[in-house]
Amino acid sequence: GQQLNQSPQSMFIQEGEDVSMNCTSSSIFNTWLWYKQDPGEGPVLLIALYKAGELTSNGRLTAQFGITRKDSFLNISASIPSDVGIYFCAGRSGNQFYFGTGTSLTVIP
Amino acid sequence: DTEVTQTPKHLVMGMTNKKSLKCEQHMGHRAMYWYKQKAKKPPELMFVYSYEKLSINESVPSRFSPECPNSSLLNLHLHALQPEDSALYLCASSQEFRGEQFFGPGTRLTVL
Repeated sequence: GQQLNQSPQSMFIQEGEDVSMNCTSSSIFNTWLWYKQDPGEGPVLLIALYKAGELTSNGRLTAQFGITRKDSFLNISASIPSDVGIYFCAGRSGNQFYFGTGTSLTVIP
Repeated sequence: DTEVTQTPKHLVMGMTNKKSLKCEQHMGHRAMYWYKQKAKKPPELMFVYSYEKLSINESVPSRFSPECPNSSLLNLHLHALQPEDSALYLCASSQEFRGEQFFGPGTRLTVL
């Protein structure tokens, strides 16, 4: 199935720094989702976006649904050690979800 | 409640064994999914059930057999698996055609 382009592939940052990652697609989606996954666990939903241009926050996390409906962005402010993990974007089309390649985040205390 | 439960958490099986993975949700979702995930890779779709009927099969080998006994339950029957089938198996659910998708904690499967 289609896989979305997600960047960066990995990030190593100092605690307290801000983080930005993005996801792009060749297809239009009506829903964008962002997940965080810890090793050996299932992905946990962080933010859901439903409208082009929508900007949504969840604590230190902010995500945006791109105007073209082909991209989305996730920002994490003031990173902390528990932000470590792999972040996946996903675009929804009908009953199928297409996932990004993932961004591995390491936070150095 | 946005919980999807999966059992067992871990499973080790031989290539001649038959086992089943189980998934349950009580969010009233009518779409349920099985994914396979290898380490540090995104989930790969295996099957989608819509209103208890199989709607998508992503060319999965017949040694994986899904079953949806009712709107809350989803099973994955395993038979004659290969070592390369070792992975994290994830169940998920969503409303039909809109909204979020929620994942269970996964079953870590090891095939010896």
